[in-house]
Amino acid sequence: AQSVAQPEDQVNVAEGNPLTVKCTYSVSGNPYLFWYVQYPNRGLQFLLKYITGDNLVKGSYGFEAEFNKSQTSFHLKKPSALVSDSALYFCAVPNYGGSQGNLIFGKGTKLSVKP
Amino acid sequence: DAGVIQSPRHEVTEMGQEVTLRCKPISGHNSLFWYRQTMMRGLELLIYFNNNVPIDDSGMPEDRFSAKMPNASFSTLKIQPSEPRDSAVYFCASSPGLATSTDTQYFGPGTRLTVL
Repeated sequence: AQSVAQPEDQVNVAEGNPLTVKCTYSVSGNPYLFWYVQYPNRGLQFLLKYITGDNLVKGSYGFEAEFNKSQTSFHLKKPSALVSDSALYFCAVPNYGGSQGNLIFGKGTKLSVKP
Repeated sequence: DAGVIQSPRHEVTEMGQEVTLRCKPISGHNSLFWYRQTMMRGLELLIYFNNNVPIDDSGMPEDRFSAKMPNASFSTLKIQPSEPRDSAVYFCASSPGLATSTDTQYFGPGTRLTVL
């Protein structure tokens, strides 16, 4: 079965410091991977996705993610965190074995950036 | 582009009442998804449509839940009768393709449902 794991419920970072939000995956077939962000009282917003090609994927708001096949990871990164980056971040993978369009989401990681 | 539109944004109702949530997908998108978000279970897919046809409703909790998509620009999720355990945030999302594995989904702002 397809799955993603976000091992940290919360990540705390000081403004200006680099941030990493971790995601590991378990899939059969080609790993297509997504990151979404949810700001308070808002819907999820697409950040970036890995389909194929360069292992470093650049996305919205200065975020990037590195696909690592040997470690089955797809960690989200940003060189310099902003207070406005504080939100809930979700990693997701398509449900290959079932309905193709179904995205399976991780439990989410709450990012808190303090001034 | 207005994005995915959901109404109402907040709904408070009493147990046993019928609840109808509404969604307008992004124009030109071919797939529509209904999700439910709770603290305990996270984000769960309830049902999704391709070209207005329900493809997978295995996530619908029970017969009290039903969803329709009468045309490409409108969908409803109905709960009848509602129960307190249905309290959650319900999201609608749409994607441009026919829900392929590489499609990006675009989410609406959600409807926060509280059943007393």
